[in-house]
Amino acid sequence: NAGVTQTPKFRILKIGQSMTLQCTQDMNHNYMYWYRQDPGMGLKLIYYSVGAGITDKGEVPNGYNVSRSTTEDFPLRLELAAPSQTSVYFCASSYKLSGNSPLHFGNGTRLTVT
Amino acid sequence: AQTVTQSQPEMSVQEAETVTLSCTYDTSESNYYLFWYKQPPSRQMILVIRQEAYKQQNATENRFSVNFQKAAKSFSLKISDSQLGDTAMYFCAFMNSLGNDMRFGAGTRLTVKP
Repeated sequence: NAGVTQTPKFRILKIGQSMTLQCTQDMNHNYMYWYRQDPGMGLKLIYYSVGAGITDKGEVPNGYNVSRSTTEDFPLRLELAAPSQTSVYFCASSYKLSGNSPLHFGNGTRLTVT
Repeated sequence: AQTVTQSQPEMSVQEAETVTLSCTYDTSESNYYLFWYKQPPSRQMILVIRQEAYKQQNATENRFSVNFQKAAKSFSLKISDSQLGDTAMYFCAFMNSLGNDMRFGAGTRLTVKP
């Protein structure tokens, strides 16, 4: 049981490039989330999804897009990378949209935009 | 919007001793969830303990316990018999009753000294 898997682990982008951060989970969770963690800060919610075909914005959605075509996958797209998007990105999933259902996190992707 | 404040950027404790990490939050909701997450150097986010706001009894998980003061909006974490493996960043987090908004504090870096 792999849990939540994120790829790649590290990536360096030039300003203006685009990329997709991949996230997949094998726990059949309906709910999936993308967070970013800036240096010395806590995590901030970018987007979340309550099921295939349904996504919604979190606290810091600008500059990102997501899609949810299957229960397992929740990719995060950066269209025009900016230095402000340098961060560590975490994908997470949960069984329910509730504090009684703990979040399962991936190991993160460290992204640097130069 | 909910906010979470951790006023101690760094703390240290001797092995086998007890340490308390502070967290305060601001919300107008009456029902919500509070969490402490541990992030070791591996970057993995690990749930340490969870508290439901409508439960007056403080949560405990082995050597970890919380002091939840709802009126004061305070949620501190006590680690007893500290171990070297407890060295990590610790994040306090708030989740609203709907489960679609989770806010993290900036974290406290805890070092356990031998």
